[in-house]
Amino acid sequence: GAGVSQSPSNKVTEKGKDVELRCDPISGHTALYWYRQSLGQGLEFLIYFQGNSAPDKSGLPSDRFSAERTGGSVSTLTIQRTQQEDSAVYLCASSLDGTGGFGGNTIYFGEGSWLTVV
Amino acid sequence: SQKIEQNSEALNIQEGKTATLTCNYTNYSPAYLQWYRQDPGRGPVFLLLIRENEKEKRKERLKVTFDTTLKQSLFHITASQPADSATYLCALLYTGFQKLVFGTGTRLLVSP
Repeated sequence: GAGVSQSPSNKVTEKGKDVELRCDPISGHTALYWYRQSLGQGLEFLIYFQGNSAPDKSGLPSDRFSAERTGGSVSTLTIQRTQQEDSAVYLCASSLDGTGGFGGNTIYFGEGSWLTVV
Repeated sequence: SQKIEQNSEALNIQEGKTATLTCNYTNYSPAYLQWYRQDPGRGPVFLLLIRENEKEKRKERLKVTFDTTLKQSLFHITASQPADSATYLCALLYTGFQKLVFGTGTRLLVSP
């Protein structure tokens, strides 16, 4: 597609339920990122996928959070047993390749999935 | 750990003036720094990138400076317009890491 696509755009869930958030990166982009943005806060890094390399999961806040990327394209972020503090906008982004190195490729963000845990 | 500071208070300026936003960081200098624009309810949009060996970068009405001695980047919007009103985020990439670290952003309000 033309840009990074995320679904659902809005999700209200009950505390304790599991949720899945989906990200379709720009075609051909090998790097994919998940960030979280709480109200009035900056972007908090969650996880980074680059090609076939092992993902960098260093930003996942707890073991309730997991993500996978199938076929080097679509990614799913799963939050198990959701808590109210999980309420935030979950932003997915992709770039042509990793942001490391001299290239510094532009990262393109989706519009986010707004998660509210009640 | 890396710390990035952006003014949390909104910057209010009049149309036509130059807006200057500040991004300060601690610890060691990043390999490069990016500026993003974020409108309410939208994802961030990339604006400019500046590398550690560059002092200044320009793009149309935008100018970014990078001072590794002061550990600071300045983001300027000249001849500002009400349409420039948004939150502006700086993001840093450190050598050896593969992810951008974002500041909390500064909200810019340009009045007609």
